[in-house]
Amino acid sequence: AQKVTQAQTEISVVEKEDVTLDCVYETRDTTYYLFWYKQPPSGELVFLIRRNSFDEQNEISGRYSWNFQKSTSSFNFTITASQVVDSAVYFCASSGSARQLTFGSGTQLTVLP
Amino acid sequence: GAGVSQSPSNKVTEKGKDVELRCDPISGHTALYWYRQSLGQGLEFLIYFQGNSAPDKSGLPSDRFSAERTGGSVSTLTIQRTQQEDSAVYLCASSRGGYPDTQYFGPGTRLTVL
Repeated sequence: AQKVTQAQTEISVVEKEDVTLDCVYETRDTTYYLFWYKQPPSGELVFLIRRNSFDEQNEISGRYSWNFQKSTSSFNFTITASQVVDSAVYFCASSGSARQLTFGSGTQLTVLP
Repeated sequence: GAGVSQSPSNKVTEKGKDVELRCDPISGHTALYWYRQSLGQGLEFLIYFQGNSAPDKSGLPSDRFSAERTGGSVSTLTIQRTQQEDSAVYLCASSRGGYPDTQYFGPGTRLTVL
């Protein structure tokens, strides 16, 4: 069974600030996958990134970066120089031997102009 | 190409009525998932189809819920004798079916049970 915890319910920042969204996962699977999805006000879940349990390389994509640390079971997501359009609910999720996603409760990010 | 589509986008029904929600996956995707998003329960898995294999129904909350997938493509989620607690957004996702895999979501159907 998988469990994903996003302790931050809501975060509010001013435009151009950096912001980090926390994600902690629990799993008994030796092979598992971690994901981040974005849900803007329109409601559709948009895939952002997938990481494999055997690859702890951090990743940067434009203003987005992800920090995966197995030692702390964390998969944190940072937005650099945030923009108003980044305002959304962000979900961390995992999958393992069972293919379905287990989601965290989400973090509502509000970026103020 | 086209993404996952769902219909209707909104559905209002009366308690006790049956409803059917439809999902068209991305062309070529062999795996299809249904999830439910509600304020109290967050995002929950309901059912998973992979090719011609028996579906994984482990997330269905009661026997009032069922789903079919015809011809390995379109899926219909049916809720019988709807209850107010069934009110939620029902999300469909599809994926290529390999492992690892990434699921791509549709816009959802907002179900309101009066």
